[in-house]
Amino acid sequence: SQQGEEDPQALSIQEGENATMNCSYKTSINNLQWYRQNSGRGLVHLILIRSNEREKHSGRLRVTLDTSKKSSSLLITASRAADTASYFCATAPSGNTPLVFGKGTRLSVIA
Amino acid sequence: EPEVTQTPSHQVTQMGQEVILRCVPISNHLYFYWYRQILGQKVEFLVSFYNNEISEKSEIFDDQFSVERPDGSNFTLKIRSTKLEDSAMYFCASSGLTSYNEQFFGPGTRLTVL
Repeated sequence: SQQGEEDPQALSIQEGENATMNCSYKTSINNLQWYRQNSGRGLVHLILIRSNEREKHSGRLRVTLDTSKKSSSLLITASRAADTASYFCATAPSGNTPLVFGKGTRLSVIA
Repeated sequence: EPEVTQTPSHQVTQMGQEVILRCVPISNHLYFYWYRQILGQKVEFLVSFYNNEISEKSEIFDDQFSVERPDGSNFTLKIRSTKLEDSAMYFCASSGLTSYNEQFFGPGTRLTVL
């Protein structure tokens, strides 16, 4: 089955720096979504990128998708301490189907 | 902004007891999901529900689990006889009728089985 796998597993940066997290998956997708999870809390939807899109922006977030390499990246620019969380990618083989989550990247932003 | 809500936020139960986890999806959404996350692990899909029936389920979702939409707003997950390994965070999610299923998650119910 397809999987989203994030890399790195953990990332520690200084406030103001950019954070880049990568996600790889195995089979064809309809879309890929990124979520944030603060420790022990719910999943917050960040951004969805469709299989026919290559790049998408939302505020300080930039997501890219390379379907030929089956990979995506999430860039958070000018990071803040409040960005400290785990970030997950999730893939869907088609619309309205279950999401398959990766293990996540734990981001720590140090003030 | 509309959001998915879940109750209770934390449920503690004894092994073998039945639990019902409740969710109120976003009101105009048509697809509903349950996922779970064992501490420190991935979020795993359990079941999806559309048009008043299960549309897909994972191998985790065995005969001990059931889902129901008892009225126009609630969506419930029942575990008939809980096991220790059912301890996890359970998330409900919903999505609208679009080609791209942006799924919105609730805050989760932390289930602890003793």
